[in-house]
Amino acid sequence: EAQVTQNPRYLITVTGKKLTVTCSQNMNHEYMSWYRQDPGLGLRQIYYSMNVEVTDKGDVPEGYKVSRKEKRNFPLILESPSPNQTSLYFCASSSAETGANVLTFGAGSRLTVL
Amino acid sequence: AQTVTQSQPEMSVQEAETVTLSCTYDTSESDYYLFWYKQPPSRQMILVIRQEAYKQQNATENRFSVNFQKAAKSFSLKISDSQLGDAAMYFCAYRRWQGAQKLVFGQGTRLTINP
Repeated sequence: EAQVTQNPRYLITVTGKKLTVTCSQNMNHEYMSWYRQDPGLGLRQIYYSMNVEVTDKGDVPEGYKVSRKEKRNFPLILESPSPNQTSLYFCASSSAETGANVLTFGAGSRLTVL
Repeated sequence: AQTVTQSQPEMSVQEAETVTLSCTYDTSESDYYLFWYKQPPSRQMILVIRQEAYKQQNATENRFSVNFQKAAKSFSLKISDSQLGDAAMYFCAYRRWQGAQKLVFGQGTRLTINP
């Protein structure tokens, strides 16, 4: 089954404790991206990647890091999480052919930073 | 920068009736894409419908149709014969014709279906 898999689905952590949210896709997609969803703000793009070793900032990159060492994986790293990073996070992928017109989203990761 | 505005945080409709969700956007570009996404309680993001700005004909997908008014920068979603499974958060989104692989989302409208 074609899918984007995110882990963990739920996480409660404390301020300053580094964490990584993993994202993996099995569709050989070139493009991958991270969004965060907050009430009243919708979804906003954090980072995106056009291919292996090619990443760029989205609209809200502060406090996050990403890497794309393999085509299938695009982890989101919070080096020192803060309470304002409490949010619902989505990873998404798409092929170079369709671009962001056909996004496959993961199931979301609910992160709470205390 | 492009912005997308959904001015209705919540809407409700009786089952089997029709409801329209509003969306406006701001852009200086002439070519672009517009989308409606559905997010049910499962949190999964599901593409409902897509509209290319160069197309004058409004997109339709079964019970879902849009009213695209390019000059007014308006993109509303009409759901006909509403069903209980239509209950969800609905997001309007914008994408540039070329360039960054990014969707700009509106704030969302929570739709409740009353049986």
